[in-house]
Amino acid sequence: KAGVTQTPRYLIKTRGQQVTLSCSPISGHRSVSWYQQTPGQGLQFLFEYFSETQRNKGNFPGRFSGRQFSNSRSEMNVSTLELGDSALYLCASSLVWRDRRNTGELFFGEGSRLTVL
Amino acid sequence: GNSVTQMEGPVTLSEEAFLTINCTYTATGYPSLFWYVQYPGEGLQLLLKATKADDKGSNKGFEATYRKETTSFHLEKGSVQVSDSAVYFCALSDRGNTPLVFGKGTRLSVIA
Repeated sequence: KAGVTQTPRYLIKTRGQQVTLSCSPISGHRSVSWYQQTPGQGLQFLFEYFSETQRNKGNFPGRFSGRQFSNSRSEMNVSTLELGDSALYLCASSLVWRDRRNTGELFFGEGSRLTVL
Repeated sequence: GNSVTQMEGPVTLSEEAFLTINCTYTATGYPSLFWYVQYPGEGLQLLLKATKADDKGSNKGFEATYRKETTSFHLEKGSVQVSDSAVYFCALSDRGNTPLVFGKGTRLSVIA
């Protein structure tokens, strides 16, 4: 079974640009979550999507957005990049219980490392 | 709100030493608890989990017991190897629709 796939793995942007990151979840996983990982802040939750709807959102500015497609693939977008957006962006997929609650067991991709110059 | 506190790292051990990484949590209700591991250059992967009090999760020689009375889920391994060098994250899920809450991570380095 293929794991969670994130593209691109590495990218370099300059301040003010925008970036789109892609995530393909494990087949059958309908919940996709995004996390930002930095040395100073650790893992910070960005948002979670289920059935093409955002159902949880972390404390990030509106420059960070995402979406989920009908095949559960997800993208996140960061507009007007700032130096502080340099980070490893991790996508994770998971199964849900019949009542649609998360099982809590996340399967992570290897991440997209964004460097903003 | 829910939170997880892990011991600060880095932790450096010699091969075959005993490992303990402390983790305590704050949560309402009865959360599920997890340990995730991140090897260099990789994403996180689930190491072990426990879903109710007194449950013991185990995998690859690592163990952790869900202690409700002390709100703890300490990670232990009797004899570490160089290949165990990684960052370890404690996490909790309140079984609802809120996101998994992670601790800040503990970096472990094992030297031969």
